[in-house]
Amino acid sequence: NAGVMQNPRHLVRRRGQEARLRCSPMKGHSHVYWYRQLPEEGLKFMVYLQKENIIDESGMPKERFSAEFPKEGPSILRIQQVVRGDSAAYFCASSPQGASKGEQYFGPGTRLTVT
Amino acid sequence: TQLLEQSPQFLSIQEGENLTVYCNSSSVFSSLQWYRQEPGEGPVLLVTVVTGGEVKKLKRLTFQFGDARKDSSLHITAAQPGDTGLYLCAGDVGGYNKLIFGAGTRLAVHP
Repeated sequence: NAGVMQNPRHLVRRRGQEARLRCSPMKGHSHVYWYRQLPEEGLKFMVYLQKENIIDESGMPKERFSAEFPKEGPSILRIQQVVRGDSAAYFCASSPQGASKGEQYFGPGTRLTVT
Repeated sequence: TQLLEQSPQFLSIQEGENLTVYCNSSSVFSSLQWYRQEPGEGPVLLVTVVTGGEVKKLKRLTFQFGDARKDSSLHITAAQPGDTGLYLCAGDVGGYNKLIFGAGTRLAVHP
């Protein structure tokens, strides 16, 4: 049973470019979460999605960041016009339908470097 | 704003020693998770505790959830070099499925 898949594992973008991060949840999981881990800081919640719905985006910056989880295909975290401060590790987690105990399973992360 | 404070921040011990890591908050959590993260990897779920006062054991690791569900501890018996890593606690703000993470305890076990 494959775990949460994220790609790419490493992404380098110049300032002003767009970054697209992909996440495929564990098989049978319909809830996806994105977290950001800045250097030497803890993980911070960004957004919680179910298929075709954004449930909670309270942790997303208001501008340049967007997320989707379409009916088919992976969840995408999109960062437009990246800036140096966006350099971080971005983690996706998933949980099964009806999970009420906070159990989330994390992918290996995408390390974004903005030059 | 919910906060989870972990202590100690760093811990360096010799193989065979025991240790305890603490996770404290002023908020009540419906559940609390402990994760372990290796450099360059994502957090790996170790355990979930749900009931106040609950104790769970995973080999040499013992996890406890406080009676008021505001704090938790992780105790490792006879630590081994393979236990080296970053230990994170994360609380679930009930019903919202949004995990609040502590800053982590970085453990180094020397042979």
